[in-house]
Amino acid sequence: SQTIHQWPATLVQPVGSPLSLECTVEGTSNPNLYWYRQAAGRGLQLLFYSVGIGQISSEVPQNLSASRPQDRQFILSSKKLLLSDSGFYLCAWGQYNEQFFGPGTRLTVL
Amino acid sequence: DAKTTQPPSMDCAEGRAANLPCNHSTISGNEYVYWYRQIHSQGPQYIIHGLKNNETNEMASLIITEDRKSSTLILPHATLRDTAVYYCIVRVGGAGNNRKLIWGLGTSLAVNP
Repeated sequence: SQTIHQWPATLVQPVGSPLSLECTVEGTSNPNLYWYRQAAGRGLQLLFYSVGIGQISSEVPQNLSASRPQDRQFILSSKKLLLSDSGFYLCAWGQYNEQFFGPGTRLTVL
Repeated sequence: DAKTTQPPSMDCAEGRAANLPCNHSTISGNEYVYWYRQIHSQGPQYIIHGLKNNETNEMASLIITEDRKSSTLILPHATLRDTAVYYCIVRVGGAGNNRKLIWGLGTSLAVNP
């Protein structure tokens, strides 16, 4: 069966510090991968998606970047965090009709 | 903007059926209706989807009106573990269209003992 991992589960970072969140998927090959952010009281916002290694599409302009160095690895990064980057970050992989989400990382930028 | 409209909150007694409505009056002929739920501090979980016909699985039933402008998700015997935010989403089928999901605020369902 397929599983999706994210770490860390929670993170508190100062403004201006770098960020690296990692997501890995097991049990499937060549998945479509997604990074979402959910701000407090808001719906999920798609940040990036990837259809293959090295292929990244950005949905909104922002302070973040994404990379896919391996088929089942998706990384979300920032060089300098802003207060507005706080939120719940979710990684997901998708097949035809469904998306499967990881447990999420709650990021607080102080 | 979300293409669906859902009530912000609902209550349900444990053991009773929970009926969650969703309006999608601008749905296109090739768009499916999807339901996900998100338990507090977890990632969303797929529940069910449908195009025209009513659908049922081990989690829920989906009733779509004949004109497809609205639907109802039914949890036949709600438990406390069904307390979550329920999202109704419409999109064209296909894995490549997952990126086109528009997530609103959903309905916060509280199942009470």
